[in-house]
This record gives sequence, structure tokens and C-alpha cells, in this order.
Amino acid sequence: ETGVTQSPTHLIKTRGQQVTLRCSSQSGHNTVSWYQQALGQGPQFIFQYYREEENGRGNFPPRFSGLQFPNYSSELNVNALELDDSALYLCASSLPAGQETQYFGPGTRLLVL
Amino acid sequence: SQQGEEDPQALSIQEGENATMNCSYKTSINNLQWYRQNSGRGLVHLILIRSNEREKHSGRLRVTLDTSKKSSSLLITASRAADTASYFCATDAGGAQKLVFGQGTRLTINP
Repeated sequence: ETGVTQSPTHLIKTRGQQVTLRCSSQSGHNTVSWYQQALGQGPQFIFQYYREEENGRGNFPPRFSGLQFPNYSSELNVNALELDDSALYLCASSLPAGQETQYFGPGTRLLVL
Repeated sequence: SQQGEEDPQALSIQEGENATMNCSYKTSINNLQWYRQNSGRGLVHLILIRSNEREKHSGRLRVTLDTSKKSSSLLITASRAADTASYFCATDAGGAQKLVFGQGTRLTINP
């Protein structure tokens, strides 16, 4: 176990709805990254938060947004859900730059109908 | 889009045999990592190799890196049923801690 937790574990939504996924980072880690993993694919980087600020973003539209809180936990929000948003959403925590290893949570599996 | 490609996409071997997975990437990197994923759950970090290293060992794992060919390999020796999982390489091509993953190799160890 990495110490990174995510909630919920599974979620079913319908197209057009909004969803919020949550992540608690490993103790002492102030950097949280979010990844989307479609079935049969490798994870794709969505964005990263460091000390409550967005610190880099992948090729995802603005309807994917996030937050990081003072305790370094984080949320991923997705608005106007589309069928292609169905995926496993992974968060990973890490120490600041210079510590490259990331510690992943178990993921939230989102199904959009 | 994915940074790299992994080969093979799927590998099935008998317990006790060695398993070799390959990863290729497209841009210059500072380091390359290998992760394991069981049954579509969270990823577990296995090993990191830096661009100035050619080979690294960790238990039954051996990783090589050839920056001139932009490729890496992961060797698992004396495989066990518990090694059944998907294995991903990831580079820092997206920037520090912004990992870019390959599509993975699904490894099945038959008892």
C-alpha cells in the first residue's frame, strides 16, 4: 500500500453530468498529479498540483479542473461528462522536484452512460 | 498521445521462466521508470533508471537503458504467478514528475 487513497472506488454518471473525484496524498507529499487511463491504455497525465497551485497540464480540455487543499489532498472535477471520459482516474503523490518516484492510489473507475 | 511503445503488448510464459519487456520512447529524457499494475488498479513503482545509467538491478528485476536507441528493457527472472500484471514504462518527457507512459505489456505467468 502506498498510503494514497482515492474516493469513490467506482462511479456511474450520465452524459452531461458533473463529477468530483477525491485523493488524499501520502503523508509529507505536497505534489499531487492526476492521470486518466482508458481501458487497455497507459495512463495519460491530466494535471499536477503543487502547494495548491496548478503546476503543469496535459492535453485535456478546461472542463477538467482541479483543486489542492492546504493538507495537500486534491480533487479532480469533470464537467459536461462525455462517453469518452469513461476511464480509471489515478492520482499520484510525490515529493517536490528532484524526487521522481510517484506513489499511486488505487484509482476511481468512472463509467459515463 | 503516448510517448512510447512497449513490446510485446502481451506475453505469456511458464512459472520459473524469465520475462523480458521492451520500451521505446521518442524524446530525450532524464530518467525512465517501470511500474506494475494489477487488474486495472493503482500502479506500483518498480525501478527508476537515470539517463547516465546503463543498467540497474532490484531483486529479480534488471533494467537496461540505451539512450542512443531511445529504448529500455525490463527483465524479470525466475517468474512467479504473482508477477502476473501489466507493466508500464514511463519517462519524464512531459517535465519533472509529469510522467508519460507507454501502452504497457500484459504479462501472464502460467503455473
